[in-house]
This record gives sequence, C-alpha cells and structure tokens, in this order.
Amino acid sequence: DAGVIQSPRHEVTEMGQEVTLRCKPISGHNSLFWYRQTMMRGLELLIYFNNNVPIDDSGMPEDRFSAKMPNASFSTLKIQPSEPRDSAVYFCASRPGVRAEKLFFGSGTQLSVL
Amino acid sequence: GDSVTQMEGPVTLSEEAFLTINCTYTATGYPSLFWYVQYPGEGLQLLLKATKADDKGSNKGFEATYRKETTSFHLEKGSVQVSDSAVYFCALLNTGGFKTIFGAGTRLFVKA
Repeated sequence: DAGVIQSPRHEVTEMGQEVTLRCKPISGHNSLFWYRQTMMRGLELLIYFNNNVPIDDSGMPEDRFSAKMPNASFSTLKIQPSEPRDSAVYFCASRPGVRAEKLFFGSGTQLSVL
Repeated sequence: GDSVTQMEGPVTLSEEAFLTINCTYTATGYPSLFWYVQYPGEGLQLLLKATKADDKGSNKGFEATYRKETTSFHLEKGSVQVSDSAVYFCALLNTGGFKTIFGAGTRLFVKA
C-alpha cells in the first residue's frame, strides 16, 4: 500500500491567493483527518470526516478554511484568501474506521504564505 | 476538555544514554494512550500504545506504562541511538471518541 498521499509537498504563495491542499487516504480507510502543525500551537485537529461526511469541523480556524471529501479516495483543504499566519505544515491522516485507533499520516504539505 | 502535556524540549543526549520523556494527561473516562514519532520531513508514525491501566506498550526498545493513578504515560529507552533523533508526541484517544489529542511534541537530539 502506498500510504496516505499528500500533494503538494511544498507550497509557496502570496497573501490573498487561494491555496488547495490534496490528500488521498489509504484504500479502505473511511476516517480522514486534517491536522495543522506549527511551532506555537503544536498539532491541531482541523476537521474530521467519516464515510466522506464531515463530522467535526470545530477546529477549522475561520471561514477562510474549507474542506471537502467528494469520495472515499480524495479530500481537499482550501484556504481562500490565504494569510501569512496560515503558514504551517498541514497533515492528512486516515484510519480504517471509528473503532480503529492507529492514525496513518501523510508526509505533509509545507505551506508558506508570503 | 481532554489534554496532553509533555515535557518541553529539546532533549539532547549522548549515544547509549537513558531516555525519559514525561507525559501526563487529562481525560474523562478511560482513554487509550499513544506515543507517535516524527522523523525529519515525514509524517507521524505510531511508536507504541497502551489501552488500559497498567498496560505496557513497547516497540524498538522504547517502553511506556499506562499509569492511571498518576495519569501519566512516560516514554523510556535504555540506550538511545543517533537514529532515534526525532520529535516524539504523546497522545490520547478517549473511549468512544474520534479525536486523537496530541501533546506539543518533544524534540530529541542524540549525539554520537
């Protein structure tokens, strides 16, 4: 299995631009998570999907952030408009189901907003 | 709400030294506890876990024991190697929950 695949690995953009981060979970995993990692706040859960449905988006910082999961093999996290304080590493993680405990992480997207 | 507190880093050790990274948690119910490791440029990987009180999780020479009375899950290794240099995250998952809550992470440097 290829593991959780995220793209791009690195993204550099200018303030005000739209940014789209992509994630392909492990086949057969029906729970998907987006996390953000910063030095100041550590690893924060942004949103959680189960069977493609958003279950909890209470961690999404503000309306500029949105996430979708149109099918079981693809999810996007969009920031529009982006701001310098959004600079962080964004991780996608998946797990086989609600009773599974182990999270499988992608390699992350390093986002820099200038 | 649920939370995890772990010792601040960085921790710098010489090869073959003994490692302890402290972790305490606050949670309702009976959470499962985890240590994840993040190597440079990579995502987090599960290192070990324990699901109930007094359980000991172990992997690759690392160990941690679930101590309900002290709400702790300290990570230990008897003899660290340079290849153990990474960031270590303590985490919990509460019973019936879906959110894995992570601590802030502790960076470990091991010198040859």
